Amino acid sequence: GNSVTQMEGPVTLSEEAFLTINCTYTATGYPSLFWYVQYPGEGLQLLLKATKADDKGSNKGFEATYRKETTSFHLEKGSVQVSDSAVYFCAQRQGGSEKLVFGKGTKLTVNP
Amino acid sequence: KAGVTQTPRYLIKTRGQQVTLSCSPISGHRSVSWYQQTPGQGLQFLFEYFSETQRNKGNFPGRFSGRQFSNSRSEMNVSTLELGDSALYLCASSPRLAGEPAGSYEQYFGPGTRLTVT
Repeated sequence: GNSVTQMEGPVTLSEEAFLTINCTYTATGYPSLFWYVQYPGEGLQLLLKATKADDKGSNKGFEATYRKETTSFHLEKGSVQVSDSAVYFCAQRQGGSEKLVFGKGTKLTVNP
Repeated sequence: KAGVTQTPRYLIKTRGQQVTLSCSPISGHRSVSWYQQTPGQGLQFLFEYFSETQRNKGNFPGRFSGRQFSNSRSEMNVSTLELGDSALYLCASSPRLAGEPAGSYEQYFGPGTRLTVT
């Protein structure tokens, strides 16, 4: 079945460090790919998305590129801030469906 | 526009009881999906409703059920609660319109209902 695998962490970085969170997927066909962020006590917020191969999603300094050949959608940010501390989820969605399939989440802590 | 609202935010129930959770989607949104979030299993899809009809269902036992009303508000019910049902239940809505394929739009999540079963 369709699945998403992401590094589970936790990841602890110092402010202004470079961030990479790896995400790979298995799917039939070509799903849309997403990164969601969850702050403590809150629901999920869409961070960025890509709907086809080689698309790059970007938002708030975060980027991820849809790589069909490696079935990956790694999240990167060049310089993290304390306010980026949260749990990050990679997800996929097949065409014609509302159902999101999530990875286990990666907790990021950024220290000043 | 107000976001997705879920009530109650916190709930404590005893094993064997039943519970009903409510979700009010963003105004104008007709598609509502439910997810269960637990530390062990992560985020898992429960079901999706559109125009008062269940369109898709995840791999959960029949104790989990839901419905959607004509104003697009949705409820989910869990009967005969088990300790393992303790979780954060998230609701999401999307502005999908009739005639449009599912998955055409971004989903907007509510803050969730934290259910604790003792």
